[in-house]
Amino acid sequence: DGGITQSPKYLFRKEGQNVTLSCEQNLNHDAMYWYRQDPGQGLRLIYYSQIVNDFQKGDIAEGYSVSREKKESFPLTVTSAQKNPTAFYLCATRGPPSYEQYFGPGTRLTVT
Amino acid sequence: GQNIDQPTEMTATEGAIVQINCTYQTSGFNGLFWYQQHAGEAPTFLSYNVLDGLEEKGRFSSFLSRSKGYSYLLLKELQMKDSASYLCAADFMDSNYQLIWGAGTKLIIKP
Repeated sequence: DGGITQSPKYLFRKEGQNVTLSCEQNLNHDAMYWYRQDPGQGLRLIYYSQIVNDFQKGDIAEGYSVSREKKESFPLTVTSAQKNPTAFYLCATRGPPSYEQYFGPGTRLTVT
Repeated sequence: GQNIDQPTEMTATEGAIVQINCTYQTSGFNGLFWYQQHAGEAPTFLSYNVLDGLEEKGRFSSFLSRSKGYSYLLLKELQMKDSASYLCAADFMDSNYQLIWGAGTKLIIKP
């Protein structure tokens, strides 16, 4: 079954702790993306990667970091520098044949 | 930068038809995606328009006018399960393989 997995579905952390959200895909897509979504809002791009070992900042990269060591994996670390980390985080890929973005199920992060 | 505009919220009645509009800047435009997102879930792909005209897929149709920078999603025979947010996203030539997203239109279906 081809797809994108994100784990865990729900994540709770204390303020001041770094936390890493996983994203794994077996669609063989080169491009991967991380979005943040707040209640009632649209998608905001955090980071994206078009190829292994390369990634670019999106519109709201401050307080986040990523790595792309393997084609299949694009983990996102939410650092303690992120002022309001509580949100719904979505990982996506993009590639042939249709070039739409495919989304993982998302991780809902709550920081208290 | 490129702006994608769509209404924040719309209300419609079960069994009726609703049209959700999306406007974008035409410079460098490639194509327009529509996604559906139920509350608490990930967006799912509905349609992709590159050429002018209407494309029909069952109860859902999507229209594009490249010269006017305008698209709409048409939902017919509305069902309660169609209550969701509908996101449009545009693909531009200079966007470095990103999609530019609208803020989404929340569609409320009433019995």
